[in-house]
Amino acid sequence: EVQLVESGGGLVQPGGSLRLSCAASGFTFSSYWMSWVRQAPGKGLEWVANIKQDGSEKYYVDSVKGRFTFSRDNAKNSLYLQMNSLRAEDMAVYYCAVLGSYSDFHHWGQGTLVTVSS
Amino acid sequence: QSALTQPASVSGSPGQSITISCTGTSSDVGGYNSVSWYQQHPGKAPKLMIYEVTNRPSGVPDRFSASKSGNTASLTISGLQAEDEADYYCSSYTTNSTFVVFGGGTKLTVL
Repeated sequence: EVQLVESGGGLVQPGGSLRLSCAASGFTFSSYWMSWVRQAPGKGLEWVANIKQDGSEKYYVDSVKGRFTFSRDNAKNSLYLQMNSLRAEDMAVYYCAVLGSYSDFHHWGQGTLVTVSS
Repeated sequence: QSALTQPASVSGSPGQSITISCTGTSSDVGGYNSVSWYQQHPGKAPKLMIYEVTNRPSGVPDRFSASKSGNTASLTISGLQAEDEADYYCSSYTTNSTFVVFGGGTKLTVL
């Protein structure tokens, strides 16, 4: 069974930093592109970033470019999202997800809440 | 404002069928066979229900079906059940810099 477990969310002040993690199990982690998708409170879904199987390619939504860094450790079956210079509009539940052949997210974690507030 | 347009809400009685539309442009829905649909119950993670326009992942009931015509995709749920009450989101690959765009979501109420 595919399992994705996010952690690292919490309360941070505007301008602060946070590092999210996602532990994967139940599938061959190193064979898949992976993604982060976020959902602001009461709002819809927003794609944040993708990372290739070996970490050599990364793509970000424009609003987080230069502030967020997506990485992975295939030896540990883990993903990381380093978030710097956080803004109020970054406040959301962040989900890690397995990316399918096109733009479909086949499996999702339970999410971790990031709250940006002073 | 979301890139893909969905109705805010739809409703139906148990056993009935409903259809949710998802309208985009030729840069996303109309240009690629990459439309997906997700079901999200309150407080839960989204769940993939349909991918690549018409494909159901294993475990998704065949009551869920989908199609696409031009720039509009549609999700149909037949034989509505109480547990189908949830929010539904469509998504599509896009040639814009955002890689994938989502609809604003549709709240399905089973009366």
